[in-house]
Amino acid sequence: NAGVTQTPKFQVLKTGQSMTLQCAQDMNHNSMYWYRQDPGMGLRLIYYSASEGTTDKGEVPNGYNVSRLNKREFSLRLESAAPSQTSVYFCASSVSIGNQPQHFGDGTRLSIL
Amino acid sequence: QKEVEQDPGPLSVPEGAIVSLNCTYSNSAFQYFMWYRQYSRKGPELLMYTYSSGNKEDGRFTAQVDKSSKYISLFIRDSQPSDSATYLCATSRGTGNQFYFGTGTSLTVIP
Repeated sequence: NAGVTQTPKFQVLKTGQSMTLQCAQDMNHNSMYWYRQDPGMGLRLIYYSASEGTTDKGEVPNGYNVSRLNKREFSLRLESAAPSQTSVYFCASSVSIGNQPQHFGDGTRLSIL
Repeated sequence: QKEVEQDPGPLSVPEGAIVSLNCTYSNSAFQYFMWYRQYSRKGPELLMYTYSSGNKEDGRFTAQVDKSSKYISLFIRDSQPSDSATYLCATSRGTGNQFYFGTGTSLTVIP
């Protein structure tokens, strides 16, 4: 089983460039999430989608947008990348929001110069 | 104060040792507790998922929750070099969107 698949695995951008991180899950989960992981900061929630057709802000949404394309896919867009957005980005999914454990992809390592 | 506090380590033990990993949390409303294992350059992998207080065992792993002291633990028996990873604790109320993650404890098991 693939679980949660993220593309690309690595990316280097210049300040001001835009890009979209892709995420797809094959577990028929309703809820999907985007996190960033920085040293000493742990996982911080950027945006989430409780179910298809809904998206909401998390703890650190500024500079990002998301699209829940369908039940399987949830993308994260950086419109104008900044060096502060250099991080490892993880997508996760869960059966439903609230009390169900989240399952993670292997991340996208993003460097912004 | 962070919602979840976790000693970052690093922790280094010999193969075969019993490992104890711990977290504390601040909010008595938290009901669900998880432990994740994260290998280098990989995503967090769910190890244990428990509800409320008590123990849960799965093979060499035991998760323990003490809600009276707001303390959660993961014990690893007969530790193996393949257990070398970063371990993250997490908790949630069970409603709403928010899971709270610890910053992770780095564990190395020396052959």
